[in-house]
Amino acid sequence: DQQVKQNSPSLSVQEGRISILNCDYTNSMFDYFLWYKKYPAEGPTFLISISSIKDKNEDGRFTVFLNKSAKHLSLHIVPSQPGDSAVYFCAAISSGAGSYQLTFGKGTKLSVIP
Amino acid sequence: DAGITQSPRHKVTETGTPVTLRCHQTENHRYMYWYRQDPGHGLRLIHYSYGVKDTDKGEVSDGYSVSRSKTEDFLLTLESATSSQTSVYFCAISEGLAGVRNEQFFGPGTRLTVL
Repeated sequence: DQQVKQNSPSLSVQEGRISILNCDYTNSMFDYFLWYKKYPAEGPTFLISISSIKDKNEDGRFTVFLNKSAKHLSLHIVPSQPGDSAVYFCAAISSGAGSYQLTFGKGTKLSVIP
Repeated sequence: DAGITQSPRHKVTETGTPVTLRCHQTENHRYMYWYRQDPGHGLRLIHYSYGVKDTDKGEVSDGYSVSRSKTEDFLLTLESATSSQTSVYFCAISEGLAGVRNEQFFGPGTRLTVL
């Protein structure tokens, strides 16, 4: 039973355009959401996060939107750059459980075409 | 970058042999985690630790054990390696404090091949 779903395994975007990566979740106990970026042969790196009490968080070119009623979040990258080409993982935490375990989606591979 | 190292970075071993992977942190974070990454599965939690000698199982713990005798070190042991344990293993750390950001920081990974 996959609690965090990234239904698009891959996405291609032209340089300078907007990239939108989507993530859905099923566990209503999740209260904190994160996006990680991963290059080949490296560990994932934290990108941006959002608490369930907010619906938007912005950091430079990256914005995460959270729609709690739809159990959906999205990561917007604008403008997209070739260096953004990587696998992006959505992750969620149920901090009330006390373990701070991350539940990850399977990832979306973003390719930004120059 | 968070101070997390993993050793070895690459290992090839044979089925049935024990294998130990090491994660070392210099951040004094309370929580440490072991994940495996496989194609089509994303990252899956194997075990985690919430303090010295305090550990618990994750989603895919069968065939793995862990130990944490010091804050800075978290060991993952494959008791008798199998080909299904061929994977890339990532260690992660987090502060684990309620009410603050709970992002985890990841090490560079260990690529393990079991023949």
